[in-house]
Amino acid sequence: KNQVEQSPQSLIILEGKNCTLQCNYTVSPFSNLRWYKQDTGRGPVSLTIMTFSENTKSNGRYTATLDADTKQSSLHITASQLSDSASYICVVSPGGSYIPTFGRGTSLIVHP
Amino acid sequence: GAGVSQSPSNKVTEKGKDVELRCDPISGHTALYWYRQSLGQGLEFLIYFQGNSAPDKSGLPSDRFSAERTGGSVSTLTIQRTQQEDSAVYLCASRPPSGRLAGELFFGEGSRLTVL
Repeated sequence: KNQVEQSPQSLIILEGKNCTLQCNYTVSPFSNLRWYKQDTGRGPVSLTIMTFSENTKSNGRYTATLDADTKQSSLHITASQLSDSASYICVVSPGGSYIPTFGRGTSLIVHP
Repeated sequence: GAGVSQSPSNKVTEKGKDVELRCDPISGHTALYWYRQSLGQGLEFLIYFQGNSAPDKSGLPSDRFSAERTGGSVSTLTIQRTQQEDSAVYLCASRPPSGRLAGELFFGEGSRLTVL
């Protein structure tokens, strides 16, 4: 069964600090992995996409990594801001299917 | 429109009533998804439409749930004889057919359903 596990479930950090969110998946065959950000009361918005051949991709203060061998991905947030407070969801798309598998998300709270 | 539009944004209903939730996808997006998100939980896949193909209904939790997509555009999710456990946010997403953003889901703001 295709599964996506995220850790930690929740995280509280101080503004300006860095943090790293983890994603492990068992989706096979693998097509791509996306990280979405979901603000409270809003729909998720894509931050990055990683394909099999990509190891690292940055989008501003967000850097995603992918290790296709160990089936792990991470999302690193640098110099956190209050607006980074949100749920971060790891989504893995299997090859041959248009129905992605969603993780349950990591809830990040950034305190001033 | 510029984004995926969902209505109503909030719906409060009594147990046993039927509800309809509407989704207007981004123009030109051929694929449309419905998800359910219960409080503090992840997104639960409900149904997937792709063009004129038969929808993938594998995620619908019971026969009280149904959805249709008319003319390949607007979609309606119907929940009959609502139960309290149906209370959740129902999210709609559409996906472009090809190009750089192919595979990315564009979500609406969701319809929050409360069943009393």
